[in-house]
Amino acid sequence: GAVVSQHPSRVICKSGTSVKIECRSLDFQATTMFWYRQFPKQSLMLMATSNEGSKATYEQGVEKDKFLINHASLTLSTLTVTSAHPEDSSFYICSAIPGGGYEQYFGPGTRLTVT
Amino acid sequence: TQLLEQSPQFLSIQEGENLTVYCNSSSVFSSLQWYRQEPGEGPVLLVTVVTGGEVKKLKRLTFQFGDARKDSSLHITAAQPGDTGLYLCAGVDDMRFGAGTRLTVKP
Repeated sequence: GAVVSQHPSRVICKSGTSVKIECRSLDFQATTMFWYRQFPKQSLMLMATSNEGSKATYEQGVEKDKFLINHASLTLSTLTVTSAHPEDSSFYICSAIPGGGYEQYFGPGTRLTVT
Repeated sequence: TQLLEQSPQFLSIQEGENLTVYCNSSSVFSSLQWYRQEPGEGPVLLVTVVTGGEVKKLKRLTFQFGDARKDSSLHITAAQPGDTGLYLCAGVDDMRFGAGTRLTVKP
């Protein structure tokens, strides 16, 4: 149990375009999901906390207008990278916590490359 | 923000050796989690430690939570090449990760 999926696994886009990444909890409901970014050979950096039915809470230094997060249901959160630039190229990972729990389960990640 | 420091940053050992990696903070955590991440994949939860002084074992891995709940350690006995990966600790309170220990076990 506690499986989290992400789609797509890899995406290449041109500079200036927008990309949407989906994060789904497949076998549980998640009131809270988290979005992380990971650069090569570095740890995970928390970008934002996504709460179902409310606005996401962004970490300091993360532009909320650039990284749009929508958590419309208890099993789906989306991250849209708007007007992507090459410096946005990274590995984006989501995680979800089952309702009432505290252990987070991670998706497999999405590799974004902006050309 | 509760900062987590992990050490060593890199560790390369031979198969069969034992090792310990550390996760330290100046803050108290309600609980800590350890993960292992392989390249191109999401982290996989290994264990959650909750009680100060707690020791948990997962096959050849032994996790300890400090009495003051500010630090934790992971000890691996008789390391195998399959243990290679990035080991991360995270505080449950704020879901932030330490920088990680990159372990390489050579056959």
